[in-house]
Amino acid sequence: GAGVSQSPSNKVTEKGKDVELRCDPISGHTALYWYRQSLGQGLEFLIYFQGNSAPDKSGLPSDRFSAERTGGSVSTLTIQRTQQEDSAVYLCASSLRDILYEQYFGPGTRLTVT
Amino acid sequence: GQQVMQIPQYQHVQEGEDFTTYCNSSTTLSNIQWYKQRPGGHPVFLIQLVKSGEVKKQKRLTFQFGEAKKNSSLHITATQTTDVGTYFCAGLSSNTGKLIFGQGTTLQVKP
Repeated sequence: GAGVSQSPSNKVTEKGKDVELRCDPISGHTALYWYRQSLGQGLEFLIYFQGNSAPDKSGLPSDRFSAERTGGSVSTLTIQRTQQEDSAVYLCASSLRDILYEQYFGPGTRLTVT
Repeated sequence: GQQVMQIPQYQHVQEGEDFTTYCNSSTTLSNIQWYKQRPGGHPVFLIQLVKSGEVKKQKRLTFQFGEAKKNSSLHITATQTTDVGTYFCAGLSSNTGKLIFGQGTTLQVKP
């Protein structure tokens, strides 16, 4: 079956512009996660959705970052007024029910802020 | 704050040698998951450990969860070039219910 998909795969944007990253989780998965991975670094947790609600937003780095999930499916991560330090790979993952279940990761969106 | 530390950060081994990565938490974990990320790829789930002292094997890979549920290890016997990648542990904190990823151990295998 289809895995987690993310779009775009690559995004180059100018500093100060807004960007939207999209994640389509595996059908039927109720939990969805966003992570950020800088070059050669580990996974930085951003936000976790259970259905459409976000019980844990603690990882969002600043108020320029926001995320929403609609219909218990697709999620978008929005970064406003992008900065160069936002350059990274943004990974989305989904799991069947909650964080007790294995996570399936998408291929990521590589964001470059020039 | 809560942390999950992984050591070593990098490991270079000759093909055929063994490899171990360790994961240590400052707090008790409900469970621990292990993921592998190949170069240029995304993390892929390997296994989940839940019980104190649990040991699970997958071919040449052996995973352990400590008795106190604060540490875990992944051991690879007789490494192969296909083992190259970064191995992450992710621990679910018993206190907060948060899943915390370690920084990963990057394994290089020389043929």
